[in-house]
Amino acid sequence: DVKVTQSSRYLVKRTGEKVFLECVQDMDHENMFWYRQDPGLGLRLIYFSYDVKMKEKGDIPEGYSVSREKKERFSLILESASTNQTSMYLCASSPPNRANTEAFFGQGTRLTVV
Amino acid sequence: AQRVTQPEKLLSVFKGAPVELKCNYSYSGSPELFWYVQYSRQRLQLLLRHISRESIKGFTADLNKGETSFHLKKPFAQEEDSAMYYCALQGGSEKLVFGKGMKLTVNP
Repeated sequence: DVKVTQSSRYLVKRTGEKVFLECVQDMDHENMFWYRQDPGLGLRLIYFSYDVKMKEKGDIPEGYSVSREKKERFSLILESASTNQTSMYLCASSPPNRANTEAFFGQGTRLTVV
Repeated sequence: AQRVTQPEKLLSVFKGAPVELKCNYSYSGSPELFWYVQYSRQRLQLLLRHISRESIKGFTADLNKGETSFHLKKPFAQEEDSAMYYCALQGGSEKLVFGKGMKLTVNP
C-alpha cells in the first residue's frame, strides 16, 4: 500500500516566519509534487521534482522553494510566510509518466498564517 | 503550456440521473489525461485514466482529441458519488496539472 505522509495535518505560523512542510513517500517514486488547494481555484502546482536534487517550477512558485536531497523526501519551504499563503497544501508522488501510472497523495497540511 | 479547464464548479442531480462532468485541455503534445476524485475527509485519489479505457464505479471518460476534451460520464448517479472531481493532464516533462475541480452532489 503506497504511503505518502505529510508531517503535519495542521500548522499555524506567524507572518514572516520560515515554514517547512515535509513529505515522505515509501514507494521509491521518481516524481514528487507540491500543490496548494484553494476553494474555487482547484489544485495549483507549486513545484515538482523528477529526481533527487532536480526541481522544476510549477505554475505558482513565487514565495516558495523546495528541497529534495533524498528520493523519498520532498520539502516545501515558505521563506517568509504571508497571510496569502494560508491554504491546504498537498504533496503527491508518482512513477515516471512513461508508465502512465497514478499519483498518490498525502493527507494534506492545512497551513494558517496569522 | 499545459492547461485544464473545468467550466462548471457545481453540479447537483437526483439519484439515478445521468451526469457529465466536462473537461477541456490545452497541450501541444500527446496528453495523458486522468480524473481524480476526493470524497469528504479523504485523500485525493485516481478515478480513471484515459489510456486504460476502463469503467470505474460506473464512470467512463473518452478522450476526444479533435475537441480537446475528456468528459466524465455516468448514466445513473448514486449518492455515494457525491465528491469533488478533478480533471488532470500530465505531459512529457512529468508536470502534472489539474483543473479547478467540480463539486458533484447527488441528492436522494
